[in-house]
Amino acid sequence: DAKTTQPTSMDCAEGRAANLPCNHSTISGNEYVYWYRQIHSQGPQYIIHGLKNNETNEMASLIITEDRKSSTLILPHATLRDTAVYYCIVRVRDWGGSEKLVFGKGTKLTVNP
Amino acid sequence: TAGITQAPTSQILAAGRSMTLRCTQDMRHNAMYWYRQDLGLGLRLIHYSNTAGTTGKGEVPDGYSVSRANTDDFPLTLASAVPSQTSVYFCASSGTGGDTQYFGPGTRLTVL
Repeated sequence: DAKTTQPTSMDCAEGRAANLPCNHSTISGNEYVYWYRQIHSQGPQYIIHGLKNNETNEMASLIITEDRKSSTLILPHATLRDTAVYYCIVRVRDWGGSEKLVFGKGTKLTVNP
Repeated sequence: TAGITQAPTSQILAAGRSMTLRCTQDMRHNAMYWYRQDLGLGLRLIHYSNTAGTTGKGEVPDGYSVSRANTDDFPLTLASAVPSQTSVYFCASSGTGGDTQYFGPGTRLTVL
């Protein structure tokens, strides 16, 4: 079972920031928070991940609360191409083996013109 | 660099027939994965391979088999297809050290 809770859908205006929340109240100390997205009919795409510090890359920012029970993915200037299903996943980084992701149903983000 | 390729793009298959979905990566990743995605659901792991020569069962392995003869290829075989195996199948790979996964474009399979 997915260990995360996300809203089913969200809307955002083009050019505005999109803030996607994720609850992971049962996260353990060695579990990371990962975000992937899936644009219609394509394979999922990695966005960002973090453990406890906030992270930023060229695609997005990840804000993790101090108690680590929730996080927010921020797309600073959403475009129409950011319309996708966004998956929040928590998992241990298995340094000796493979990365078994458990996908929930995600949040369907629609960016409107 | 092609990344991950999958073939075929789509296929209609009669129930009871066998089929192999192909997956090839050129990133020299050790780990590879097969997922299925059904309408309205997230992805579910079918089988995975940590490295060439080893495989493991995921969440929904029944009715599927895999092999990993080399680093680059990870075929998924349906020995006797059933309609419930109608789905979109995604192959993925990741490097060692729990690296992020890279996904292929998917194969849309319809079993009638």
